[in-house]
Amino acid sequence: DGGITQSPKYLFRKEGQNVTLSCEQNLNHDAMYWYRQDPGQGLRLIYYSQIVNDFQKGDIAEGYSVSREKKESFPLTVTSAQKNPTAFYLCASSISAREDYNEQFFGPGTRLTVL
Amino acid sequence: AQSVTQLDSQVPVFEEAPVELRCNYSSSVSVYLFWYVQYPNQGLQLLLKYLSGSTLVKGINGFEAEFNKSQTSFHLRKPSVHISDTAEYFCAVSDVGGFKTIFGAGTRLFVKA
Repeated sequence: DGGITQSPKYLFRKEGQNVTLSCEQNLNHDAMYWYRQDPGQGLRLIYYSQIVNDFQKGDIAEGYSVSREKKESFPLTVTSAQKNPTAFYLCASSISAREDYNEQFFGPGTRLTVL
Repeated sequence: AQSVTQLDSQVPVFEEAPVELRCNYSSSVSVYLFWYVQYPNQGLQLLLKYLSGSTLVKGINGFEAEFNKSQTSFHLRKPSVHISDTAEYFCAVSDVGGFKTIFGAGTRLFVKA
């Protein structure tokens, strides 16, 4: 079955530590995204990538970093510079930036808690 | 700049009653519109989308939405809800030819027995 996987489902981190969230898709999609979800605030875009080896900052990129070395993978690193990292993180993908519309397919999410 | 406003943060409703979840957007260009549903601790799932053509769009699980360009609205409706419809619903907008999708803050639908 095609889809998006995120791991781990739950992640605990001590303050001052970097942590990497995994996102893998086997949909052959060109574009991938990372969102942060906080209660009452909906989804906020952290980073997005339209194609391999290319990515752009979203609305709240400070304290985060990404890489896109392979089409199917788009890991997100939450660095110690992120002041309030406790949140639910969602990865998504869409067919292509060249398509007319941008329906996104979502993974199951990773809940990060900073202790 | 685009924005999406979901007018109700929470909507409680009794089982088998009709429901409407309201969404307004702002954009200076033509748009595509989406409704997604999120069950607890899960990702988002597409309910329906408006790309062009008929302004009444039917989706999964008996939901439908109507695009109203003059009122810049895309309200979601269901004539009779079930307990299993309890979830959070997100309205989203994407510019035609654009790349980013903007999501509303979400509406929590709570269906009571």
